[in-house]
Amino acid sequence: GAGVSQSPSNKVTEKGKDVELRCDPISGHTALYWYRQRLGQGLEFLIYFQGNSAPDKSGLPSDRFSAERTGESVSTLTIQRTQQEDSAVYLCASSLIGGTKNIQYFGAGTRLSVL
Amino acid sequence: GESVGLHLPTLSVQEGDNSIINCAYSNSASDYFIWYKQESGKGPQFIIDIRSNMDKRQGQRVTVLLNKTVKHLSLQIAATQPGDSAVYFCAESLGSNYQLIWGAGTKLIIKP
Repeated sequence: GAGVSQSPSNKVTEKGKDVELRCDPISGHTALYWYRQRLGQGLEFLIYFQGNSAPDKSGLPSDRFSAERTGESVSTLTIQRTQQEDSAVYLCASSLIGGTKNIQYFGAGTRLSVL
Repeated sequence: GESVGLHLPTLSVQEGDNSIINCAYSNSASDYFIWYKQESGKGPQFIIDIRSNMDKRQGQRVTVLLNKTVKHLSLQIAATQPGDSAVYFCAESLGSNYQLIWGAGTKLIIKP
């Protein structure tokens, strides 16, 4: 079946503009994660959705960042009033919680450049 | 300007040699461990996993070793090939229902 799909693949924006990034998880996956990855660095956890539970927002770096998920489908990550420090690749992953393994499947990411 | 952060440690290996990538994990109660490979411009991809009731698990050209005494995990890649060039991440969790805790990553460079 189809993997995790993210759009757009690249986004260039001006400082101060809002951006919205989209993630389509693997069908049937109850858990969805957003990560940020700066150039040459590791994965920085942002937010986690699991079914109808309240999302874990503990990784969001500021109140300019927010995310929504409709049921167990699409998620959007919104960054308001973008800053140059927001430039990074934003990765989305989904997984099937409750199985015997905890494997997250990743999309290719959205590369955000803030000028 | 861009914030300064730690850059990934790098391991250079001759093509055809074996590679060993090491990872120290943080929680002695973690019972599930996983390795990912991230090629340039792509998202991380699952390689192999291991549960804490095992010390070793083998896949195709890869072996994961777990030493719970010193909280150490390693990934061995046999006969390293150019296609193995990537960043490798380890991750741990407390069972399959919990989030993964990610390691910092190691960049593997293959020398011809």
